[in-house]
Amino acid sequence: VQLVQSGAEVRKPGASVTLSCESSGYTFITYYIHWIRQAPGQGLEWMGIINPSGGTTTYAQKFQGRVTMTRETSRSTVYMELRRLRSDDTAVYYCARGDSVNYGGLSSYYMDVWGKGTTVNVFS
Amino acid sequence: SSELTQDPAVSVALGQTVRITCQGDSLRNYYASWYQQKPGQAPLLVLYGRYERPSGIPHRFSGSSSGNTASLTITGAQAEDEADYYCNSRHGSGDQLVFGGGTKLTVL
Repeated sequence: VQLVQSGAEVRKPGASVTLSCESSGYTFITYYIHWIRQAPGQGLEWMGIINPSGGTTTYAQKFQGRVTMTRETSRSTVYMELRRLRSDDTAVYYCARGDSVNYGGLSSYYMDVWGKGTTVNVFS
Repeated sequence: SSELTQDPAVSVALGQTVRITCQGDSLRNYYASWYQQKPGQAPLLVLYGRYERPSGIPHRFSGSSSGNTASLTITGAQAEDEADYYCNSRHGSGDQLVFGGGTKLTVL
């Protein structure tokens, strides 16, 4: 099982970037895919999630209106587009496979397989 | 600001026991998951659900929770456990998730 992410990107402020995350080793549509980013020297920040089966998405409030996650089932690939880039979007962007477990009342959502990350640099 | 609160840094003597905590209201309704991240590497899932360890994670990693606090305990910390640790859970009552700010663990 692995997630292979696209290569590093450099953009100017105001531009857009689209990152990809290709899944292999499991049935693509049976697990959600999360996107998480990490700015230099900072912690992890959850951006959103896509259900590869139906394409439904949930985005963190911070990114709503600026991010779009899509999938291409024929390629077992998920894409994340971030628009109107700013310098503080400079970060490593990770995709991660999501799963959940329910104990008849309490649930747990977790990310069990991670890609190696894609570095995005935004500067003028 | 994060909806899950972690101590920024914790230290432990080699071979001793350390507990890393994560506080947040959502933890009353959802179990946390825990991730270990070493410099230059992607995060690694170490604990999820009702304190379950993925395959390959040593038994010295365990979990617990009480009220709005989830804990990751390392019993007999090893040098290779030195890393940043992040908790994650649902964000309030919505479908969003959130990470804690992370705890930097130093093994002395």
